Amino acid sequence: DQQVKQNSPSLSVQEGRISILNCDYTNSMFDYFLWYKKYPAEGPTFLISISSIKDKNEDGRFTVFLNKSAKHLSLHIVPSQPGDSAVYFCAASGGGKLIFGQGTELSVKP
Amino acid sequence: DAGVIQSPRHEVTEMGQEVTLRCKPISGHDYLFWYRQTMMRGLELLIYFNNNVPIDDSGMPEDRFSAKMPNASFSTLKIQPSEPRDSAVYFCASSLQGRLETQYFGPGTRLLVL
Repeated sequence: DQQVKQNSPSLSVQEGRISILNCDYTNSMFDYFLWYKKYPAEGPTFLISISSIKDKNEDGRFTVFLNKSAKHLSLHIVPSQPGDSAVYFCAASGGGKLIFGQGTELSVKP
Repeated sequence: DAGVIQSPRHEVTEMGQEVTLRCKPISGHDYLFWYRQTMMRGLELLIYFNNNVPIDDSGMPEDRFSAKMPNASFSTLKIQPSEPRDSAVYFCASSLQGRLETQYFGPGTRLLVL
């Protein structure tokens, strides 16, 4: 059973606009959430994280929002750039290990 | 630092054959993780080690899968016998003191079982 779900397999956005990637989870015991970015033929790399005691964390163009009541988090990229085109995985920390979603492929068009 | 090194990068084999995937973690890292990526399930944790000792292997799908870490600089994931449904990308990752943000992934091994 998928405890972390990314229901959109793909997303296409125009350069300069906002990209919003969504993630839902089922386990209320998760206390830490992360986003990873993956380019083709490479492993995922850490992008940004958020603790369950916060509802927002910002790092440059990237902002992660956490809605605990809805068990939902989202990653906002503003403004989107062609170099942001990649697969984005959300992950939740449970019991010291990461539970990943299926990934969303973002395509930013010039 | 060379990062996490995995070999081979690609493997094509026939059903029933033994497959061995290899990983060299980042020097000094004390945690090592094996993941499998599929379209349907995304990234799944198979097993992880701390100081060469397996801590959690609950993600290992079947007895056909086994993993070892004989020393701090080398780990293997073995599938015997392999089946077509094992086709996936297998990632190895390492981290220092289990810090999740510092889990560095290797480039992966793309496995195709015919």
